[in-house]
Amino acid sequence: GAVVSQHPSWVICKSGTSVKIECRSLDFQATTMFWYRQFPKQSLMLMATSNEGSKATYEQGVEKDKFLINHASLTLSTLTVTSAHPEDSSFYICSGQGELDTGELFFGEGSRLTVL
Amino acid sequence: GEDVEQSLFLSVREGDSSVINCTYTDSSSTYLYWYKQEPGAGLQLLTYIFSNMDMKQDQRLTVLLNKKDKHLSLRIADTQTGDSAIYFCAQFTGGGNKLTFGTGTQLKVEL
Repeated sequence: GAVVSQHPSWVICKSGTSVKIECRSLDFQATTMFWYRQFPKQSLMLMATSNEGSKATYEQGVEKDKFLINHASLTLSTLTVTSAHPEDSSFYICSGQGELDTGELFFGEGSRLTVL
Repeated sequence: GEDVEQSLFLSVREGDSSVINCTYTDSSSTYLYWYKQEPGAGLQLLTYIFSNMDMKQDQRLTVLLNKKDKHLSLRIADTQTGDSAIYFCAQFTGGGNKLTFGTGTQLKVEL
């Protein structure tokens, strides 16, 4: 299947700093990318839908000024957690939508953010 | 609503069959999916079923779909220790724009 790469896989930062997570589709073009957040032992919660060249669509309750999403090309979307706080510590997973009729999503390996 | 519910935990012995169940509320999905997540990793698509099918078999995996009861199940035959992971069912909701995941079932395979 198609490959989605996330970077970094793990980041530790101080409270108040900003962290950028990259999501790249390596062998396909992802017109749409999705960003999920997962707390320990919980399911994935969709944060936002990112469409190439346009503003992201955020889910209810997700602060768009806190979680900046940029989808500048068909192979790259970035999530920036601004002024991170300990409660932002979580596992962030991106996915790109392939072109198959099945609507299959290809997921990155995830990025673990720990805010001290 | 868009709830997708699963049992939280399942423990089986190696070599036995595992059955993971899922109930959903949105009947408009064209496809329903099963994903596997190993510790600290992203999600891996295991299999999917088209909504007009009742059953799909893929090697050790069998998916059963009961549209009337909105019930989806994943059967893993000859479960191995490498199958230990969290399994999520998922469907597109909200008119097909949002992939909603179930609560996840942690499968533990014991020797």
